[in-house]
Formats: sequence, C-alpha cells, structure tokens
Amino acid sequence: GQNIDQPTEMTATEGAIVQINCTYQTSGFNGLFWYQQHAGEAPTFLSYNVLDGLEEKGRFSSFLSRSKGYSYLLLKELQMKDSASYLCAVLDSNYQLIWGAGTKLIIKP
Amino acid sequence: DAMVIQNPRYQVTQFGKPVTLSCSQTLNHNVMYWYQQKSSQAPKLLFHYYDKDFNNEADTPDNFQSRRPNTSFCFLDIRSPGLGDAAMYLCATSRGTEPYNEQFFGPGTRLTVL
Repeated sequence: GQNIDQPTEMTATEGAIVQINCTYQTSGFNGLFWYQQHAGEAPTFLSYNVLDGLEEKGRFSSFLSRSKGYSYLLLKELQMKDSASYLCAVLDSNYQLIWGAGTKLIIKP
Repeated sequence: DAMVIQNPRYQVTQFGKPVTLSCSQTLNHNVMYWYQQKSSQAPKLLFHYYDKDFNNEADTPDNFQSRRPNTSFCFLDIRSPGLGDAAMYLCATSRGTEPYNEQFFGPGTRLTVL
C-alpha cells in the first residue's frame, strides 16, 4: 500500500527554527509537494521537489532524499502566522497525489 | 486574478436531502479534482476530470456523483447525505497530470448535515 508519514503535531517558539519530517512509501515517485493549510481554509502550495537536495524559498526550505523516501520542510524565523497544518504529498507513478494527514504546527510567543 | 471559486462556502443540509456543491475556475486548467477532508485528516480524492474524461476513485461511495459541463465548471452532487458526509469539500485544478502537477485549491465548502 501507499503511505505518507508525518508527525501529528509540533510546537515551536516564535523566531525559532522548526523541521517537519515526512517519510513516504509509494508506487512510483514523480515529485513531492508541501502545502500549508490554515484552519478552515484550503491548502496553499509551498514547495515541490523531484530531485535530491535542498530547495530554498525565503524562510521556507524543503529537502528531498529519494533513496531514503524522506523529505523535510524547514521553517526559519518562525512567525505566529506560521501556525497551520503542513501537508506532505507525493505524486505517484499514475501522477496521483498521495497525501499525508498533515502536521499541526503550534507557534508560541 | 485567476482563481478557483467554490460556492457556497458553508452549506447546511438535512440527512438524506440532496445537495450540490459547485466549483469554477478561471485558470483554464485541464484537470479538476474533488476532495473530501475531515478534521485533522488528509484530503481524500473523490474524483477527477482530465478534460471531460471522468476518473472515479475506487472507494468513492455511489452516493457521490460529479458533473463537468465545461472546462470552467465542476459540480459535486451528494444524493443522500449522511452524518458521515459532513466535511470540508475541496475543489482543485491543475494544468495536466505531468510532469509537474501543482494543484490549486479553492477555499472549500464546509458541509454540515443535520
């Protein structure tokens, strides 16, 4: 079966750095997405990785290791508005998105 | 601005009373998706259309139907809503299925079943 694992919840402090991990087992791989979802709202795109390595985009970076079936999302200089759920999703061999359940990130002052 | 629009944002229906949710897009994307998302869970894909080609997920209940009359619009019909169908329903679009399939989401419709 196909599976995406990520922690259910994480807590961090405003101004700090947090790393949200995602491991996956899917039938094929055509890229990995990170989405941010605020409570009661739709997911919004953060990043896409298809090659190994780190992609940096402002305060957010995403890393991929295909051989390990592993990715992480790194958030720097945390702000209160970063409190949200972060969803990892993998594009499988049929180009279907397989979603993780999301990691709820709580930012404390 | 190009976007994905869902109406209504909040829908209340009674147990067993049919309901239709709508989605429209100005992105001119080929693919449209309907997802169901319950609290603290991953979005669950119900169906998707590649142009007019309809793709039903194997575990989508028969109670859920969809229509895509043209490129811009897609509808989700729930024929006899049960209490377990209360959820957020997300519509998304993408240009095509490969090689890069970023999905753009509408704001969602939160369905309450009384």
